[in-house]
Amino acid sequence: ETGVTQTPRHLVMGMTNKKSLKCEQHLGHNAMYWYKQSAKKPLELMFVYNFKEQTENNSVPSRFSPECPNSSHLFLHLHTLQPEDSALYLCASSRASGGHGELFFGEGSRLTVL
Amino acid sequence: GDSVTQMEGPVTLSEEAFLTINCTYTATGYPSLFWYVQYPGEGLQLLLKATKADDKGSNKGFEATYRKETTSFHLEKGSVQVSDSAVYFCALRITQGGSEKLVFGKGTKLTVNP
Repeated sequence: ETGVTQTPRHLVMGMTNKKSLKCEQHLGHNAMYWYKQSAKKPLELMFVYNFKEQTENNSVPSRFSPECPNSSHLFLHLHTLQPEDSALYLCASSRASGGHGELFFGEGSRLTVL
Repeated sequence: GDSVTQMEGPVTLSEEAFLTINCTYTATGYPSLFWYVQYPGEGLQLLLKATKADDKGSNKGFEATYRKETTSFHLEKGSVQVSDSAVYFCALRITQGGSEKLVFGKGTKLTVNP
């Protein structure tokens, strides 16, 4: 139990589908993150939310749409994806400021785009 | 910009061998440094951290020392076990836009054989 829960753990979708990834944290943190993990590449930061406000969009294509309704929940809405979007999507949370920057990760959602 | 470079893998060792995974960084100011570990099928977990020069982080027999003069944070373990097989990520923390972000290296896959 990491305190950060992601669902679904595995998702297969076609390029015309619309799906969503969900992340929930039970750690009382105020910052939440989406990272993309592809084979043989560094983890790519996609989005950062701080107290429900988006503070970082790392040039992510608009076919990825994040939503943060409150400090405990984070969604990633997916539509018209491409096969190269297949990856492990990791959610993380942390304190918004101060501390020493430890991120707590979920187990990831493995996405396959056909 | 801020970046992390870690040794290319994969690394294959026999049980009880000595492990070193090199990590160097480029950053403005004095970042905090981390090692994260990802076991098969799981998300990333914090292994150890150091927040200032000459600090030594340690956990589960792993150690890393923050060396400002060489901008390095090499991971070491004196005697590895099969259960240490995982992917290891070096990371540095930057503060931007009021939230904390981690910049990761590409990861080094370690396999320990019995």
